[in-house]
Amino acid sequence: IVLTQSPGTLSLSPGERATLSCRASQTLSSSYLAWYQQKPGQAPRLLIYGASNRATGIPDRFIGGGSGTDFTLTIYRLEPEDFAVYYCHQCGNSFTFGGGTKVEIK
Amino acid sequence: QVHLVESGGGVVQPGRSLRLSCAASGFTFSSYVMNWVRQAPGKGLEWVAVISFDGSEKHYADSVRGRFTISRDNSKNTVSLQMNSLRAEDTAVYYCAKGSVSYTGGYFDYWGQGTLVTVSS
Repeated sequence: IVLTQSPGTLSLSPGERATLSCRASQTLSSSYLAWYQQKPGQAPRLLIYGASNRATGIPDRFIGGGSGTDFTLTIYRLEPEDFAVYYCHQCGNSFTFGGGTKVEIK
Repeated sequence: QVHLVESGGGVVQPGRSLRLSCAASGFTFSSYVMNWVRQAPGKGLEWVAVISFDGSEKHYADSVRGRFTISRDNSKNTVSLQMNSLRAEDTAVYYCAKGSVSYTGGYFDYWGQGTLVTVSS
């Protein structure tokens, strides 16, 4: 399964809302879709699993949704620490990652 | 809390071998799958290999199958990646990642800090 993330880069200001897209090349059970955040020089961190479940300690401004082939990660009211690269990931048919969306400060 | 620490990275010539290790703590290691994921400089994430909780099931990315071998020692809470016939395109930071389930599958709920492998003559 190929995951295509868009846009490649999102330029926003703190306080704004970010909407990230992840499209799968074939239908994927929501159970098998996750999102990770990666900051420069750091390992990825699990944000969302099962398409819409927040991982432990993840603030409620991170909302995951979608089904079938189209999934989204929405970050409400961007905080300075949210500027990072975000990857979607499927674990239903082997494992693949999307190419990533960089959320940068405008 | 969960802690994963990779080691064994370094500079190696093309065609040579390297063995990475990951020491785990803070959870029941023998109950979960373990994965290796890599990230080439400035690039995205690429899953490399997975091993089931008991080592009976292993799967590899096409790019490394036949050259890399994943293994685990549940008595020592370690997972390893033996990398043979290394190529320049294997240059990356290699992350050890804990799976959320016992058999292959599941998302990756904890990650180590990574170890850098550079393949260069």
